[in-house]
Amino acid sequence: QVTLRESGPALVKPTQTLTLTCTFSGFSLSTSGMCVSWIRQPPGKALEWLALIDWDDDKYYSTSLKTRLTISKDTSKNQVVLTMTNMDPVDTATYYCARIHNNRFPDAFDIWGQGTMVTVSS
Amino acid sequence: EIVLTQSPGTLSLSPGERATLSCRASQSVSSSYLAWYQQKPGQAPRLLIYGASSRATGIPDRFSGSGSGTDFTLTISRLEPEDFAVYYCQQYGSSSWTFGQGTKVEIK
Repeated sequence: QVTLRESGPALVKPTQTLTLTCTFSGFSLSTSGMCVSWIRQPPGKALEWLALIDWDDDKYYSTSLKTRLTISKDTSKNQVVLTMTNMDPVDTATYYCARIHNNRFPDAFDIWGQGTMVTVSS
Repeated sequence: EIVLTQSPGTLSLSPGERATLSCRASQSVSSSYLAWYQQKPGQAPRLLIYGASSRATGIPDRFSGSGSGTDFTLTISRLEPEDFAVYYCQQYGSSSWTFGQGTKVEIK
């Protein structure tokens, strides 16, 4: 069974750096075609793709946020970490991690974590 | 970056009716990389359709996807009570993934 779980602080202050961890099981990020991505959703609003890392350690970022984002993986721990610098109240959202299994569902997010709500407030 | 525009914003229908949701791209999208998701309140999105027309694992056949180029459609042939939710389209292109703004299917 494939699962992903997000963890991180529920509250951060403006200008701080947010660090989120996605811990997954049921697959390996060293397997060809596997990717893990971060996606966020402000309350009552649409989904926004943030970043993705693939099995080959290639990294991709949202154009509008790339200067603030860093994604990395620890294959031995089955974890993907996202850092976002200079947090602002507009970054308040539920942050999801999700998998892409390119050999089955090309570039579609087939399994999602339950999400973690992050509020940015002083 | 490709922008996806979904219409209508809200669709008010009764159970048993047919739902037709539209997703229009600002430039051509490969059909291989167009997906649809369902999201219910308080839940993560669920993959329904990938490759524009292929159903994901366990998705009922009342859900179907079609389209090519810049115009894609999600059709729910007969709405069941559990189908009332928000639906998002999503595309991949040029090392970037984007979502539409969503269509809410509500009970009339």
